[in-house]
Amino acid sequence: GAGVSQTPSNKVTEKGKYVELRCDPISGHTALYWYRQSLGQGPEFLIYFQGTGAADDSGLPNDRFFAVRPEGSVSTLKIQRTERGDSAVYLCASSLAGGQGAGELFFGEGSRLTVL
Amino acid sequence: SQQGEEDPQALSIQEGENATMNCSYKTSINNLQWYRQNSGRGLVHLILIRSNEREKHSGRLRVTLDTSKKSSSLLITASRAADTASYFCATVKAAGNKLTFGGGTRVLVKP
Repeated sequence: GAGVSQTPSNKVTEKGKYVELRCDPISGHTALYWYRQSLGQGPEFLIYFQGTGAADDSGLPNDRFFAVRPEGSVSTLKIQRTERGDSAVYLCASSLAGGQGAGELFFGEGSRLTVL
Repeated sequence: SQQGEEDPQALSIQEGENATMNCSYKTSINNLQWYRQNSGRGLVHLILIRSNEREKHSGRLRVTLDTSKKSSSLLITASRAADTASYFCATVKAAGNKLTFGGGTRVLVKP
């Protein structure tokens, strides 16, 4: 596909369960970002990968959140012991940019997580 | 924390009118970007303006940047009903790689 692909598009889970959200970036994009967006709010930064490494994970809210990008392409955001407050749309974006000064980000359609 | 804050939070105009929204930020930036989001969809990049630029155009869009006031504006000329969306500014700090988004301006263009 030509764009950023995120799966699942919708996930409903129960409080306390484990969740994985997947992002397949545009081929060749070295930078990958995860954001979280609540209703009526702007996207909130979670983590940024440059290649396989997390270059900036300062936005992860606590140690229940973890993300990996083992081969520098697909990324998985993992949330342990989900809480109702984790309910949001999780957005993934990729970019060609490396080095300083992020350029244009290409966003996926998001994964809507609902924790009951 | 949000680096950029948009003003107004919501805007309602008639088709054919111009829509102007503003973004203020707090720290020195490398660049500032504007994105659009239709309801329930992902964000789409509109325009990027670098810290050494003052104005950029793209079709019906005009973006200005005033680094002395730490502010930017997005003007949509001759608006159309299809321009109805939320518009977000996002900043990249002078020594960074991540985009920090504001809360957005919700624009309604009435036919």
